[in-house]
Amino acid sequence: EAGVVQSPRYKIIEKKQPVAFWCNPISGHNTLYWYRQNLGQGPELLIRYENEEAVDDSQLPKDRFSAERLKGVDSTLKIQPAELGDSAVYLCASWGLGTGELFFGEGSRLTVL
Amino acid sequence: GESVGLHLPTLSVQEGDNSIINCAYSNSASDYFIWYKQESGKGPQFIIDIRSNMDKRQGQRVTVLLNKTVKHLSLQIAATQPGDSAVYFCAEKISVDDMRFGAGTRLTVKP
Repeated sequence: EAGVVQSPRYKIIEKKQPVAFWCNPISGHNTLYWYRQNLGQGPELLIRYENEEAVDDSQLPKDRFSAERLKGVDSTLKIQPAELGDSAVYLCASWGLGTGELFFGEGSRLTVL
Repeated sequence: GESVGLHLPTLSVQEGDNSIINCAYSNSASDYFIWYKQESGKGPQFIIDIRSNMDKRQGQRVTVLLNKTVKHLSLQIAATQPGDSAVYFCAEKISVDDMRFGAGTRLTVKP
């Protein structure tokens, strides 16, 4: 079974440019998370979805970040415009009902110049 | 989690020795905890979990200890191997489906 798939793995952009990250969770997993991981730190939650509904987006900087999970499967995280401080790894994770385990993708590493 | 910037706590052990990685959690109401291992360039991977009604849980070469009195978790790795070199995070379940991560500890295994 495929794990959580993210793309792109790496992205380098100039500040003020837009960027988007895509995540395909494990099949059947209803809960999807986007985390941001700064260098040397643990992942920090940005947004959590239950199916297509964003149930916790309190940590998402809504002035420049947006996310969607149409049809409750794949999800996209967008930053527009990107700032230097947005350089980080953006991790997607999914949690299947009853599994008790959070599965992470390999992350999308963003560098803003 | 508490920010430690670029200066992750580090632990260096000799191959074959036992490792103990510690973590303090924040919420006394948290009822579920997980240890994750993150290798360079990869996402965190589940190692072992423990519920708050337990003090100890053992897996293959790993043991997690939970001290609710002082809100402390530890991960013990027996006979540490070079492949165990990674950053280790503890995570606590704040609410339904909401996991919050600590800052992590970098484990280096010397051959």
